Amino acid sequence: EAQVTQNPRYLITVTGKKLTVTCSQNMNHEYMSWYRQDPGLGLRQIYYSMNVEVTDKGDVPEGYKVSRKEKRNFPLILESPSPNQTSLYFCASRKLQDTQYFGPGTRLTVL
Amino acid sequence: AQTVTQSQPEMSVQEAETVTLSCTYDTSENNYYLFWYKQPPSRQMILVIRQEAYKQQNATENRFSVNFQKAAKSFSLKISDSQLGDTAMYFCASPNSGGSNYKLTFGKGTLLTVNP
Repeated sequence: EAQVTQNPRYLITVTGKKLTVTCSQNMNHEYMSWYRQDPGLGLRQIYYSMNVEVTDKGDVPEGYKVSRKEKRNFPLILESPSPNQTSLYFCASRKLQDTQYFGPGTRLTVL
Repeated sequence: AQTVTQSQPEMSVQEAETVTLSCTYDTSENNYYLFWYKQPPSRQMILVIRQEAYKQQNATENRFSVNFQKAAKSFSLKISDSQLGDTAMYFCASPNSGGSNYKLTFGKGTLLTVNP
């Protein structure tokens, strides 16, 4: 089944404790991206990747890191999480001029 | 900055009736796709329908159809015979201009409630 997977689905952590949210897709898509969703603000792009070893900042990259060592994986790293990073996070992938597929979302709470 | 505008933050409709959600965008790309996504209470982002900009014919998927007006950069979603399961947040998305056309920009969403 074609899909984008994310783990964990839910995470509660404390300020400053490094964490990684994994993302994997099995559709051989070149383009992958991370979004955060906050009430009233819609979906905002954090980082994106055009292909392996090619990443760039989106609209709200501060406090986040990503890597793209393999085509299928695109982890999101929070080196020192803060409460303002409490949000719902989505990983997504697509081919150019085609539909974007989303993962199920990760609900992150930073205390 | 790229913008996608959904002018109706909330809407409601009676079951079995028809409702239209509006969306305007401002990409300068020539060939592109436009999308409507649905986000039910489960929070999953689900593709509802997509429109190819170079096609004049409006896309249709069962009860869902679009009214695409390329010159006006308008892309509204019509839901016919509304069902309780259509209750969700709906997001419109268009590609960014000036580049690879990979990035999608999303509107802030319209919360649709279908009443019994």
